[in-house]
Amino acid sequence: ETGVTQTPRHLVMGMTNKKSLKCEQHLGHNAMYWYKQSAKKPLELMFVYNFKEQTENNSVPSRFSPECPNSSHLFLHLHTLQPEDSALYLCASSQDGGGGGGVTGNEQFFGPGTRLTVL
Amino acid sequence: AQTVTQSQPEMSVQEAETVTLSCTYDTSESNYYLFWYKQPPSRQMILVIRQEAYKQQNATENRFSVNFQKAAKSFSLKISDSQLGDTAMYFCAFMGPSGSRLTFGEGTQLTVNP
Repeated sequence: ETGVTQTPRHLVMGMTNKKSLKCEQHLGHNAMYWYKQSAKKPLELMFVYNFKEQTENNSVPSRFSPECPNSSHLFLHLHTLQPEDSALYLCASSQDGGGGGGVTGNEQFFGPGTRLTVL
Repeated sequence: AQTVTQSQPEMSVQEAETVTLSCTYDTSESNYYLFWYKQPPSRQMILVIRQEAYKQQNATENRFSVNFQKAAKSFSLKISDSQLGDTAMYFCAFMGPSGSRLTFGEGTQLTVNP
């Protein structure tokens, strides 16, 4: 595997389900991000992790719970979602970003996304 | 807070012709970074070009170039010799000087016609 991978690519869940999205980066980066992409809206930054520490939570509802066990893996745990949470969820990574005081302005590399549908 | 505006929801161009996508932004920062990303139907977001605000020279990457007007806070993307594979959604994005948070515009859907 190269770049940034995401699983699953598609997910359909009921409002009472609990599921998790997984992201893995193979680029040696130390910052990882979750974005939400809804139809006809700009990409919204949800969470930022730098060196496994969460450095930003963009006022995301608590039904979304991120986890970053190491610099290569990022999870988004989902529970009791609403139909309006249906969207494309994109993961990204970069080097020395995330507000950790390192080099800024570096490119973010994106995964292919998980298309989430909440029934 | 920074904002990014792409005023063209959709554009189309004939193959081999040139097209320009517009982007304006609002910031009080003097140093920052600007990006154009491309998202084809596969949904994979790919960096097209990057510009550092302190550099006066416009960035170029093969058939892609930008017209960066710092005073006007404008950052347009020019695609020369358009190819069918350029069909995609194009997003303009802003990054401030102190972190790596990206603020995206609404996107422009570009269709290249044969």
